[in-house]
Amino acid sequence: AQKITQTQPGMFVQEKEAVTLDCTYDTSDPSYGLFWYKQPSSGEMIFLIYQGSYDQQNATEGRYSLNFQKARKSANLVISASQLGDSAMYFCAMTSGRGTGRRALTFGSGTRLQVQP
Amino acid sequence: ETGVTQSPTHLIKTRGQQVTLRCSSQSGHNTVSWYQQALGQGPQFIFQYYREEENGRGNFPPRFSGLQFPNYSSELNVNALELDDSALYLCASSSMTGSEETQYFGPGTRLLVL
Repeated sequence: AQKITQTQPGMFVQEKEAVTLDCTYDTSDPSYGLFWYKQPSSGEMIFLIYQGSYDQQNATEGRYSLNFQKARKSANLVISASQLGDSAMYFCAMTSGRGTGRRALTFGSGTRLQVQP
Repeated sequence: ETGVTQSPTHLIKTRGQQVTLRCSSQSGHNTVSWYQQALGQGPQFIFQYYREEENGRGNFPPRFSGLQFPNYSSELNVNALELDDSALYLCASSSMTGSEETQYFGPGTRLLVL
């Protein structure tokens, strides 16, 4: 079974600064995927970024980057140049299992990010 | 906008009743997954449907059941509602991206059981 741990219930960051949201994971499967989602107060889960366990480089998507440290089993999300609209819950999630896709997501407990002007 | 829609947006039921939630997947996606998110927690996987067949199930009792239709839309049915079923129910559709599958979520249905 896999597990995601997010140890920061809440984080504050000043507008235009960078922030790192922590995520550690546990799985015995060598093949897995790591995801970050953003959930505003409206409730919709918005996909931000994906990292595969065999990817050699850290994933980046615009202002989002994933700091993937495989040996430490960590997949921290870095948001650069924070904006007020970044205030939301952020969830780290993973899938694991061999073969092709259609695997269930296991989520962490989330981190609430508040961007201050 | 992900193209994934859910209905209704909000629902109030009483204990013991039955409820059906609906989800339309993004065009081109053939897999739908359902998740339950209790207040203050991360989503929990209920089950997944691939080409109209159940493809995996989380730790939920049989009174949680589902369907996927030929157009890949889906329903989640919950019988004999309990107070603890009050939650946000999220549906996600997916397609293959390389060797991984990114799931795109709908806006959710907020269910309150009284």
